[in-house]
This record gives sequence, C-alpha cells and structure tokens, in this order.
Amino acid sequence: AQSVAQPEDQVNVAEGNPLTVKCTYSVSGNPYLFWYVQYPNRGLQFLLKYITGDNLVKGSYGFEAEFNKSQTSFHLKKPSALVSDSALYFCAVRDRSSASKIIFGSGTRLSIRP
Amino acid sequence: EPEVTQTPSHQVTQMGQEVILRCVPISNHLYFYWYRQILGQKVEFLVSFYNNEISEKSEIFDDQFSVERPDGSNFTLKIRSTKLEDSAMYFCASSAGLGYGYTFGSGTRLTVV
Repeated sequence: AQSVAQPEDQVNVAEGNPLTVKCTYSVSGNPYLFWYVQYPNRGLQFLLKYITGDNLVKGSYGFEAEFNKSQTSFHLKKPSALVSDSALYFCAVRDRSSASKIIFGSGTRLSIRP
Repeated sequence: EPEVTQTPSHQVTQMGQEVILRCVPISNHLYFYWYRQILGQKVEFLVSFYNNEISEKSEIFDDQFSVERPDGSNFTLKIRSTKLEDSAMYFCASSAGLGYGYTFGSGTRLTVV
C-alpha cells in the first residue's frame, strides 16, 4: 500500500530565507510524486510533479522539489521565501505500476514572517 | 486554462437529508475523483471513476455514497442520508491519465446541521 508522510505540522521561515517542506513516501513500485498548495478557503492548486527524468523538478511560483530514491523523499524547496507563500502544503504519491489513486500527506502549514 | 467546476460552493443540509454535489470535469479528461477534507485537515480519497464505473473506493465510501456521470459532462456525488460527521469540504478532481496530476475544483463546503 502506498503512503506519504509529512513530518512537520508547521514550518516557520523569515521572508527572504530559503524554505524546505519535508516529504517521505512509501510505494510498492516506482512513484509519481506531487506537491499541492492550499490557500485559506480555497481548493488545491497543483505546484509540481515528478514522473521521470531529472531528479530536480521545477514548478510554479519558484518552488522546486528533489526526488531522492534512496531516501524515498521528495522535499519541497524555495531559495527565497515570500510572505505570500504562507499556506498549507500537501505532498502526494501514486504508485505508477497500478491505476491507484493519489494519496495525500497530512499537510504542512508554512508560515512566512515579514 | 481549463478548470474543474463545482457547484454549489456551500451547501447546508439537515441531518438525514440527501445531497447531490455536482462537478464538471475538464472536457478531455478520462479519470474522475472525489476527495474530502475535514476542517483544513488531511485530504482523504473517497472514490475514483473511469470508463463509466467506479475503479476504486475507500472505506469511507460506504452505501450512503454514490457517484454518477449522467450526461457525459457532469460528475456527481450523492450522499443519501447525511450525518453530522459528513460535514467537510468535498473536492472533485479530474485527470487526463495515470501519469498526470489531478486538477481540483474549488470544492463544496457541506455543513450538516
């Protein structure tokens, strides 16, 4: 069975500093990996995905994520945080060897202070 | 950019009543999903739908739930007899294929009183 873990409920970063939101996953086969962002009272917005190829994936709003197969991780990063990045971030995984659904992590609330 | 549209944005219903949540997926997408989120917490899978039938469902998706694609464009979630614990944000999503991410609608906030 597939699963995804986001070990931090909350991450606090000062504006302008780099940020990392952690994610680890478990699947029986090779994974498709995703990051979504949710702003208050809004739906889920797609940020980026890893399907195959380069382990460093670039996405929307300057975010990127690095796929690390040996550590089964897919951490979300940004070199310089903005206050407007404050939101709830969800990591998600699907096992590509089956037509299975995307499973979401529990979410990490990112708070950027001015 | 194509969108997934959900209506209504907010639904208040009395316990025991039936509700139908509606979704219009992106037109060339083939896979359709319902998820729910209780009070800004974890996003939980309910059901996936492909080729006019349910392809997978979670243990949450019991006999009180059903899905339908009645006319080739709409995708509906019916809750037959609502309970207080059904209060949540319900998200519809669609996908072009297995290697693609999902596009989510903006959700329907269901409040059962």
